[in-house]
Amino acid sequence: DTEVTQTPKHLVMGMTNKKSLKCEQHMGHRAMYWYKQKAKKPPELMFVYSYEKLSINESVPSRFSPECPNSSLLNLHLHALQPEDSALYLCASSPEGQGGNQPQHFGDGTRLSIL
Amino acid sequence: ELKVEQNPLFLSMQEGKNYTIYCNYSTTSDRLYWYRQDPGKSLESLFVLLSNGAVKQEGRLMASLDTKARLSTLHITAAVHDLSATYFCAVELWWNNDMRFGAGTRLTVKP
Repeated sequence: DTEVTQTPKHLVMGMTNKKSLKCEQHMGHRAMYWYKQKAKKPPELMFVYSYEKLSINESVPSRFSPECPNSSLLNLHLHALQPEDSALYLCASSPEGQGGNQPQHFGDGTRLSIL
Repeated sequence: ELKVEQNPLFLSMQEGKNYTIYCNYSTTSDRLYWYRQDPGKSLESLFVLLSNGAVKQEGRLMASLDTKARLSTLHITAAVHDLSATYFCAVELWWNNDMRFGAGTRLTVKP
């Protein structure tokens, strides 16, 4: 079982819908990440939160809106998505900065399909 | 901009053979990771390499890091079918948590 929990596992939505992806970790990690992964491609970093503050925003379209309510939770709010946004969305967490020898821990992902 | 190049992109090998996957990166970093991904699954951490000369081994996989050459290798010894998966290297800039993945190596081990 993964230590990073993502919900829902699958999501199908229309282009006019509003939905949210959720991610939760209880490892005490202070950095959390959203990645987008298209089929047969590597994960692409979208957002990084460090101590609940947005530290990296990789020029992601505004139809994706991240939110970090507390150090254990990370949301990704979706609105007016396009078909090309269909992908696997991965959440990860890691200790902040000089985190020793720990890698990023990934959740199982949310497979998003835009109709 | 941090760039990570991985090769080969596709690797088909027979069981029992050895091979090496290479990962080059463009900027100074001493945090390099290797991940495995099975089809339809998430990423599983294999190795964390944090210093020049670091070498780690787990089963038939061994990873190394040369920070001066900005090169990491993942060596596969006596491959078995269960190793078939996509392998990613990733480099992290520890001061801002920026993370870049290589394109991935799709490994197929045939009997």
